[in-house]
Amino acid sequence: QVQLQESGPGLVKPSETLSLTCTVSSGSISSYYWSWIRQPAGKGLEWIGRMFTSGSTNYNPSLKSRVTMSVDTSKNQFSLKLTSVTAADTAVYFCARDYTGWYYFDLWGRGTPVTVSS
Amino acid sequence: DIQMTQSPSSLSASVGDRVTITCRASQSISSSLNWYQHKSGKAPKLLIYTASSLQTGVPSRFSGSGSGTDFTLTISSLQPDDFATYFCQQSDRTPLTFGGGTKVEIK
Repeated sequence: QVQLQESGPGLVKPSETLSLTCTVSSGSISSYYWSWIRQPAGKGLEWIGRMFTSGSTNYNPSLKSRVTMSVDTSKNQFSLKLTSVTAADTAVYFCARDYTGWYYFDLWGRGTPVTVSS
Repeated sequence: DIQMTQSPSSLSASVGDRVTITCRASQSISSSLNWYQHKSGKAPKLLIYTASSLQTGVPSRFSGSGSGTDFTLTISSLQPDDFATYFCQQSDRTPLTFGGGTKVEIK
């Protein structure tokens, strides 16, 4: 069955760029919408944005100026870059698939924790 | 942004109990409401989409109802595997937003 696995550095310094990758296994990344979602400790989930495998994107306005999402269909991966991070960006980051395009998520990864600290 | 308010934030229940969790939107979202189950360290799981549609493979003891601003997730007979955190998510408009979660614990 299709599985998602997030990966990337667990520690990022303030003002630097957070880079994460989501690898899709046992299935194709093509023709679906893919989102990044995060959850700071003790807080609710925050949608970061989504992209279609054609390259079209839709970002949360609260993060739009700092976010870039991209896809590499040859590797079955999609990626998140978040620039100029601060402690407020410390969270567990999830990738998720939107199978229908109707903005809900039928498949998630387990999440990867990221701490922003010097 | 649409605010999603879930209640209660936690509850204690016994196996076999009927459990109800509510989610309220700050404005009408029609039927664009989805429910997930999350166990710590595991991938969240879609239970209900568009307010009342049961995701494939999800047991029928889970059901959803509501429209407009008020929604409910019901577990008709709580099973040991159901102890987890449940959260709602509106898909009416971006930015997508989530409820704060309800932790269901063993009584």
